[in-house]
Amino acid sequence: EAGVTQFPSHSVIEKGQTVTLRCDPISGHDNLYWYRRVMGKEIKFLLHFVKESKQDESGMPNNRFLAERTGGTYSTLKVQPAELEDSGVYFCASSQAGSSYNEQFFGPGTRLTVL
Amino acid sequence: TQLLEQSPQFLSIQEGENLTVYCNSSSVFSSLQWYRQEPGEGPVLLVTVVTGGEVKKLKRLTFQFGDARKDSSLHITAAQPGDTGLYLCAGGYAGNNRKLIWGLGTSLAVNP
Repeated sequence: EAGVTQFPSHSVIEKGQTVTLRCDPISGHDNLYWYRRVMGKEIKFLLHFVKESKQDESGMPNNRFLAERTGGTYSTLKVQPAELEDSGVYFCASSQAGSSYNEQFFGPGTRLTVL
Repeated sequence: TQLLEQSPQFLSIQEGENLTVYCNSSSVFSSLQWYRQEPGEGPVLLVTVVTGGEVKKLKRLTFQFGDARKDSSLHITAAQPGDTGLYLCAGGYAGNNRKLIWGLGTSLAVNP
């Protein structure tokens, strides 16, 4: 069974540009999560999809971030326009519907560098 | 303010030694998960503990959840170089709130 995949693995952009990150969850997982780790800080929750609906987007930093999950399969996270403080590693995770203990499976992450 | 405090932040030991990593919080969690992360990869789930006082063993790794479900520990017996990596704890809540709250991690180096 394929795990969570993320694309690209690395992205280097300049301040003010736009970047779109993609996440393909484990097939059949209704729950999809985005997290971010900024250097020197802990991993922080961004948002949670249940199928195509946003269940919780309380961690989204500001309106420069837009997450979508059309059709309830893969998800994209767009940053527009990117700022220096957006640099970090963006992780996507997925879990099964009804998983009792919220066990999440993570992708390898996208390392975003904003210059 | 960090909800989950992990200690130590860095640990370098010799092969064969034992070690304990701590994860402490003032908040109560419904579950506490331990992950291990290697460079260039995402966190990989090792174990989930859900009951206060629960102890789980995974080969040479022993995980414990505090009675009040606010803290947890990871003990490794006879560490091996293959145990090297970043160990992360994450707290989870019940119900529809499914976000995980993370500690900073403990970077472990086991030297041959």
